[in-house]
Amino acid sequence: ETGVTQTPRHLVMGMTNKKSLKCEQHLGHNAMYWYKQSAKKPLELMFVYSLEERVENNSVPSRFSPECPNSSHLFLHLHTLQPEDSALYLCASSQDLGGINYGYTFGSGTRLTVV
Amino acid sequence: DQQVKQNSPSLSVQEGRISILNCDYTNSMFDYFLWYKKYPAEGPTFLISISSIKDKNEDGRFTVFLNKSAKHLSLHIVPSQPGDSAVYFCAASAAQAGTALIFGKGTTLSVSS
Repeated sequence: ETGVTQTPRHLVMGMTNKKSLKCEQHLGHNAMYWYKQSAKKPLELMFVYSLEERVENNSVPSRFSPECPNSSHLFLHLHTLQPEDSALYLCASSQDLGGINYGYTFGSGTRLTVV
Repeated sequence: DQQVKQNSPSLSVQEGRISILNCDYTNSMFDYFLWYKKYPAEGPTFLISISSIKDKNEDGRFTVFLNKSAKHLSLHIVPSQPGDSAVYFCAASAAQAGTALIFGKGTTLSVSS
């Protein structure tokens, strides 16, 4: 496989559940990201990892917990979410943080619904 | 406070005409700007970019213009095609400082045949 792969594509979870989103990149990129896309809002940057170290965390609630075990994999662990957390969660990777070399490559996203 | 603004949520254009999508930014540290295109059920895909040292970059039917003094950039698509119908996101970064991309809300372009 090539590019950025996200699983699952769709997820419905209750507010008391624990689930994880997975992202995998086969591009040899050094940086990986989680973005959240809600209706009528900009893509919101959640977490940034560069060379497997978290370099940015934009005031995301602790019910979202990222994990980057190696340069190819990124997880987003979800716990006791709220209905307003329902959104499209997008993973991306890039060669450099600023996106100078061909920007970021995005996965297709996980459509999350919290009930 | 949004650092990247796309004030037009939607734009409708006839096939063959020019589509102009606009984007404004507030952070004077931004030095690299990109446009992404997104179809439903897919992630955004990179379209075209421009560095702050330039004021124009062209790639086929797509041209991006940058006006640094006005903190404004625009994407021109000529001629527009029905397959261009998608959501277009403007993004910016302070690339030299190594900051991540900040995105706008997106503009939905509809090209009718």
